[in-house]
Amino acid sequence: EVQLVESGGGVVQRGGSLRLSCAASGFTFNNYWMTWVRQAPGKGLEWVADIKQDVNEKNYVDSVKGRFTISRDNAKNSLYLQMNSLRVEDTAVYYCSRQAGAFDIWGQGTMVTVSS
Amino acid sequence: QAGLTQPPSVSKDLRQTATLTCTGNSNNVGSQGAAWLQQHQGHPPKLLSYRNNNRPSGISERFSASRSGNTASLTITGLQPEDEADYYCSAWDTSLSAWVFGGGTKLTVL
Repeated sequence: EVQLVESGGGVVQRGGSLRLSCAASGFTFNNYWMTWVRQAPGKGLEWVADIKQDVNEKNYVDSVKGRFTISRDNAKNSLYLQMNSLRVEDTAVYYCSRQAGAFDIWGQGTMVTVSS
Repeated sequence: QAGLTQPPSVSKDLRQTATLTCTGNSNNVGSQGAAWLQQHQGHPPKLLSYRNNNRPSGISERFSASRSGNTASLTITGLQPEDEADYYCSAWDTSLSAWVFGGGTKLTVL
């Protein structure tokens, strides 16, 4: 079964850090771009970052550039998001997703709450 | 980063047809096409179509997508109660080098 499972969310104070993980299974992980998408409470979807199969290309939404770092470990079939200098407006459910022309597989999400 | 434009809500009667729209520009929808996602409350999104009208396996033929210029559309025929959900469009923006989403349309089936 193709599956993505996120972990690492929680409550953190403004200015703090968190590292999210996403464990992939059921497909050849290193064949795909991978993405983080977030959704603030009651709001729409927002693309956060993505990373190429060979790690040589990464893209970020402007609001997280310089604060968030996406990475992957193909040997462990895992995707990561290191989030530093967290802001209240980063509060959201964070989903990892596989890119295959579009976001075709999604995890259940992990909640990140940044308190002031 | 600028997103795609979707109407906030659409209401249609059971068994009728709903058409949802998503407007972008020549850097995203117009050149790259759009994908459509369905999200039920409390659940992750699910891909319905990509590159305008390719459906993943398991997606009902009642869902069909198209594009005209910079506007993408999702048509849902024979509306069922389970079609009541939020619908999002997405596209790669070549100018921004970023993925952009629409704000979502809440579909109510009356």
